[in-house]
Amino acid sequence: DAGVIQSPRHEVTEMGQEVTLRCKPISGHDYLFWYRQTMMRGLELLIYFNNNVPIDDSGMPEDRFSAKMPNASFSTLKIQPSEPRDSAVYFCASSLYGADLLWRAFFGQGTRLTVV
Amino acid sequence: GQQVMQIPQYQHVQEGEDFTTYCNSSTTLSNIQWYKQRPGGHPVFLIQLVKSGEVKKQKRLTFQFGEAKKNSSLHITATQTTDVGTYFCAGGYSGAGSYQLTFGKGTKLSVIP
Repeated sequence: DAGVIQSPRHEVTEMGQEVTLRCKPISGHDYLFWYRQTMMRGLELLIYFNNNVPIDDSGMPEDRFSAKMPNASFSTLKIQPSEPRDSAVYFCASSLYGADLLWRAFFGQGTRLTVV
Repeated sequence: GQQVMQIPQYQHVQEGEDFTTYCNSSTTLSNIQWYKQRPGGHPVFLIQLVKSGEVKKQKRLTFQFGEAKKNSSLHITATQTTDVGTYFCAGGYSGAGSYQLTFGKGTKLSVIP
């Protein structure tokens, strides 16, 4: 398995532009998490899905952020319009609720977003 | 929401010294996980603890889960330069058919050769 795949790896955009981050979770995993990492705030949970259904989006900063999971193999995180304070590394992670209780999260390589 | 506090934020040690990071949850956890993130990399799973009072070892790393399942620690004996990175604890909370993993802010470890 190729692991969790995120694209793009790097994104530089101008303030006000729309940004879409993409994630392909590990096949068969039933949980998908979006995290944002900054020096100031650390690793923040933005939203997570279970079986493609959003369960908790309380970490989404504001209405400019939206996330979708149209099917089990794809999710997007969209920022519209983007602002400089959105600059961060965005990680997608997937996990499988298993009978062995091992709910380890597998992280993608992350997308480094810079908004200028 | 769920909160996981982790201290210290930074730790600088001389190579060969020991290192410990502590994690505390505001509520009882279903499990605690530990991850390591190398500079420029992504968090990588190290271990999961599930049982109250559980202790697990991985070579020079010792992981403990508190009796009340609200706190945990990671101890590294005789640090090496390869231990450099940020160590995160992540509290697993489950209930009502859902599951959430909340990360602490991490402890950034620097090892001076």
